[in-house]
Amino acid sequence: DAGVTQSPTHLIKTRGQQVTLRCSPISGHKSVSWYQQVLGQGPQFIFQYYEKEERGRGNFPDRFSARQFPNYSSELNVNALLLGDSALYLCASTFDGSSGNTIYFGEGSWLTVV
Amino acid sequence: AQSVTQLDSQVPVFEEAPVELRCNYSSSVSVYLFWYVQYPNQGLQLLLKYLSGSTLVKGINGFEAEFNKSQTSFHLRKPSVHISDTAEYFCAVSEGSQGNLIFGKGTKLSVKP
Repeated sequence: DAGVTQSPTHLIKTRGQQVTLRCSPISGHKSVSWYQQVLGQGPQFIFQYYEKEERGRGNFPDRFSARQFPNYSSELNVNALLLGDSALYLCASTFDGSSGNTIYFGEGSWLTVV
Repeated sequence: AQSVTQLDSQVPVFEEAPVELRCNYSSSVSVYLFWYVQYPNQGLQLLLKYLSGSTLVKGINGFEAEFNKSQTSFHLRKPSVHISDTAEYFCAVSEGSQGNLIFGKGTKLSVKP
């Protein structure tokens, strides 16, 4: 079975540009979460979606937005990119969004802002 | 607010030696606790988790962790490490079954021959 898949794996953007990152959860999983991992730090929670509804939001500016589609895949959008947005963006999926169920992470999308 | 502290940023150890990676958390409610491993240029893989019940939790690759409520700790141990255990290890907490995880800053385990 395929795990959590993310695309693109690497990308380079210029300050001020916009980026869209994509995630497909494990088949049968209805919840997707996004995390940002800056070099040398642990992942930080950005968003959680369950059944296409936003269930949780971390302490990130409004430049960050996300959505979940009817097939449970998800997109993370970041507008007006800053150098500090350079990070590994991780997508995670669970069956129902509960941390009591195993949370599976994808390999991530490496974003470099220059 | 919840927080997770991993007391050691780097732990060097020789192959076949025992290792303990320390994790303390703060929370005013009951928590779920997790250890994840991240190999270079990869995502996170779950090693083990504590939800309830026995305070000693066994995970994959020979790792185990003990939940200590009075000391708010969840230290990770392995009796004999291998070169292949070289990676970064993250402790994480969630409040009950709430879905989002709060991670520590990570501990880099370096196993030397």
